[in-house]
Amino acid sequence: DTEVTQTPKHLVMGMTNKKSLKCEQHMGHRAMYWYKQKAKKPPELMFVYSYEKLSINESVPSRFSPECPNSSLLNLHLHALQPEDSALYLCASSQTLDGRLKAQYFGPGTRLTVL
Amino acid sequence: GEDVEQSLFLSVREGDSSVINCTYTDSSSTYLYWYKQEPGAGLQLLTYIFSNMDMKQDQRLTVLLNKKDKHLSLRIADTQTGDSAIYFCAESRETGTASKLTFGTGTRLQVTL
Repeated sequence: DTEVTQTPKHLVMGMTNKKSLKCEQHMGHRAMYWYKQKAKKPPELMFVYSYEKLSINESVPSRFSPECPNSSLLNLHLHALQPEDSALYLCASSQTLDGRLKAQYFGPGTRLTVL
Repeated sequence: GEDVEQSLFLSVREGDSSVINCTYTDSSSTYLYWYKQEPGAGLQLLTYIFSNMDMKQDQRLTVLLNKKDKHLSLRIADTQTGDSAIYFCAESRETGTASKLTFGTGTRLQVTL
């Protein structure tokens, strides 16, 4: 099973709203990732969690707040977003063990629109 | 820099072979990947190649790696309409317990009847 699930599929929010994106995997992966993808562009890395600890933050604005409550779940809390934050948000997961292939498996994404 | 370049667009007839090219810059990459993205969907891992290999074949997919020229290609044999999508190559650097991918610009493959 190489499935990563994301909810919701679509989200429309105003600039004053607070919302959360959710990601789940049951592959036993201990690294999880958030990416942002604008139309016709490649994904851009936002955050990396390794063993439930934040290991990489790619200088993402604080209006995006990640959380990894356990080894299967990854959340992205959104607050006071701007219209330019509208994008496809992708979650991915990978192995962490030394010597093992750390290929990233992606979820279907959440299409976010900020009005 | 870590720019990974791909041609923007490729059009092929159904049944022909497709070759998608990628040029990367980070010679320390351990693995190189190919992902497929259909409209409105996430990225599907297609295949990968370890940096010390020259070629890998997986059913209709053949990956060629030229480390000297930092050139990677993906050949799809007997291309079908279901292969129409955007294809991203990605170079990978391991960061301890995770991996950091740098994606190419993406190649849109159009398959015509």
